[in-house]
Amino acid sequence: AQSVTQPDIHITVSEGASLELRCNYSYGATPYLFWYVQSPGQGLQLLLKYFSGDTLVQGIKGFEAEFKRSQSSFNLRKPSVHWSDAAEYFCAVGAGAGSYQLTFGKGTKLSVIP
Amino acid sequence: DAGVTQSPTHLIKTRGQQVTLRCSPKSGHDTVSWYQQALGQGPQFIFQYYEEEERQRGNFPDRFSGHQFPNYSSELNVNALLLGDSALYLCASRRTMGYEQYFGPGTRLTVT
Repeated sequence: AQSVTQPDIHITVSEGASLELRCNYSYGATPYLFWYVQSPGQGLQLLLKYFSGDTLVQGIKGFEAEFKRSQSSFNLRKPSVHWSDAAEYFCAVGAGAGSYQLTFGKGTKLSVIP
Repeated sequence: DAGVTQSPTHLIKTRGQQVTLRCSPKSGHDTVSWYQQALGQGPQFIFQYYEEEERQRGNFPDRFSGHQFPNYSSELNVNALLLGDSALYLCASRRTMGYEQYFGPGTRLTVT
């Protein structure tokens, strides 16, 4: 069974600083990887996804993520954080073809200092 | 283009009662999944419906059941509610051959 670990429960950064949120996954084959963002009391918004091909993927709101198979990681990055980026971020892994069940990490809460 | 919609927004029930939550998928989507998100946790997969049948199920008891209608909308039913069922219930939809799932705003269920 697949699993996702987000080692950082809470991260605080200053506005304008760079950001990296960590995600490690466990899955026997090539995974489908996703990052979602959730604002308080809201549903999940898809930031970006990795299925295959280029290991550096671009998403919405200036976010990017890099898939590293050797490290079983899919870390999320942003060069300059805005106050509106404060939210909870979830990494998720989907099993391969025929199974679209998503397994989520426990999330990383991002706080932004003005 | 309307996204995934869910109703109601909030719900308060008493232990032992039954509840029904509703979801309308994004336009063009025909597959619906339900997730439970407890406070401070990531969402957990409950089950997925396609062509009006349950196709996959997570580790949830039979008290959790669902239905999909011909217009692709879906219901989640929970019987014999427990305090531990208090959570945000999220509906997600996708196209049959698509891997991207789009989530609704959720229904906040509180069991007292």
